[in-house]
Amino acid sequence: NAGVTQTPKFQVLKTGQSMTLQCAQDMNHNSMYWYRQDPGMGLRLIYYSASEGTTDKGEVPNGYNVSRLNKREFSLRLESAAPSQTSVYFCASSGMTGGPIDTQYFGPGTRLTVL
Amino acid sequence: DQQVKQNSPSLSVQEGRISILNCDYTNSMFDYFLWYKKYPAEGPTFLISISSIKDKNEDGRFTVFLNKSAKHLSLHIVPSQPGDSAVYFCAASEDNNNDMRFGAGTRLTVKP
Repeated sequence: NAGVTQTPKFQVLKTGQSMTLQCAQDMNHNSMYWYRQDPGMGLRLIYYSASEGTTDKGEVPNGYNVSRLNKREFSLRLESAAPSQTSVYFCASSGMTGGPIDTQYFGPGTRLTVL
Repeated sequence: DQQVKQNSPSLSVQEGRISILNCDYTNSMFDYFLWYKKYPAEGPTFLISISSIKDKNEDGRFTVFLNKSAKHLSLHIVPSQPGDSAVYFCAASEDNNNDMRFGAGTRLTVKP
């Protein structure tokens, strides 16, 4: 049981390049999320997918697109990378356990640098 | 505009003593509050949570207190252990997780 996996672990891009961050979970969770973490800012939600086939904007969606490929996979795409997108990106997933709060399980993160 | 604030970037305590991490929020619509713990080069892991209908939740050495009128919550760790050294994030949401807001984190160091 790998939990939430993310690829790549590290990436360096030049301004204007595009790339896709991959995320997969093997916990049969319905919901998946993409966050970015910047120094002094905590984690900020970029996009989330409450269930397969749906996606919604979070707090900081500009410059990103997402695809919920199937129940397991949720990708984040940067079409034209900018230095302001230098950050650590975390993917997370949560299931519908019926409890009052669904715990989010996080992947190990992708460290992205845009030059 | 940060709706969840952790004003202490770091905290250092002696092993065996109490660690108190604080968190303030501005959005009175928040219903759920959570604490996550993060080690270097890993993703955050869930620690403990509390809903707005309660003022205290305890899980082993970890207790979270919620003061709704002051829009303040705190995490108490007793006794603190060196393995507790990590960054602790406070988080809150209005509607069960879909749009969770995080604080900037507090780095806890527990000295042997």
